[in-house]
Amino acid sequence: NAGVTQTPKFRVLKTGQSMTLLCAQDMNHEYMYWYRQDPGMGLRLIHYSVGEGTTAKGEVPDGYNVSRLKKQNFLLGLESAAPSQTSVYFCASSYSGSGNQPQHFGDGTRLSIL
Amino acid sequence: EDKVVQSPLSLVVHEGDTVTLNCSYEVTNFRSLLWYKQEKKAPTFLFMLTSSGIEKKSGRLSSILDKKELFSILNITATQTGDSAVYLCAVVYNQGGKLIFGQGTELSVKP
Repeated sequence: NAGVTQTPKFRVLKTGQSMTLLCAQDMNHEYMYWYRQDPGMGLRLIHYSVGEGTTAKGEVPDGYNVSRLKKQNFLLGLESAAPSQTSVYFCASSYSGSGNQPQHFGDGTRLSIL
Repeated sequence: EDKVVQSPLSLVVHEGDTVTLNCSYEVTNFRSLLWYKQEKKAPTFLFMLTSSGIEKKSGRLSSILDKKELFSILNITATQTGDSAVYLCAVVYNQGGKLIFGQGTELSVKP
């Protein structure tokens, strides 16, 4: 079972460059989430989606955009990368948003902005 | 402000010891509390707690929630080196299943 798959696994960008991180899940989950993980700060929610065609802001949305054109995919975009966006990015999905189903995480994308 | 606080932030024990990890929270519209184990990559799900006083157990790991005092504990008995990891506590709040995470507890088990 693939579960939640993130691509790429590593990437180095220069300040000002753009890129898209892809998250794909094969569990038919409605809800998908993007988090960033920084040392000493746990995981923080960037954006999330409650279904195909929907997106919403999380705790730290500035500098990021997302799209959910297909139910199984959730894309995270950086239009103009900044060094402060150096982080490990995790995608997660869940069947329900009511709090009675756990979120399942991908293996992460390590992103460095020079 | 919604927050989740874990303690201790790091812990070093020897194989066979028993450890207790703490998680306290202050959130609006609490729905559930989750524990995850994170080694090198993805956080992996351990427990989901929604009701006070009901212990969840899986092998040497167990967890319980106190919704009156707003905290949860994760116990690991007879620790093994394979238990070395960061343990994350997270709370589901409001609509949309959003999680707010604590900082994590880094557990190191020495042989």
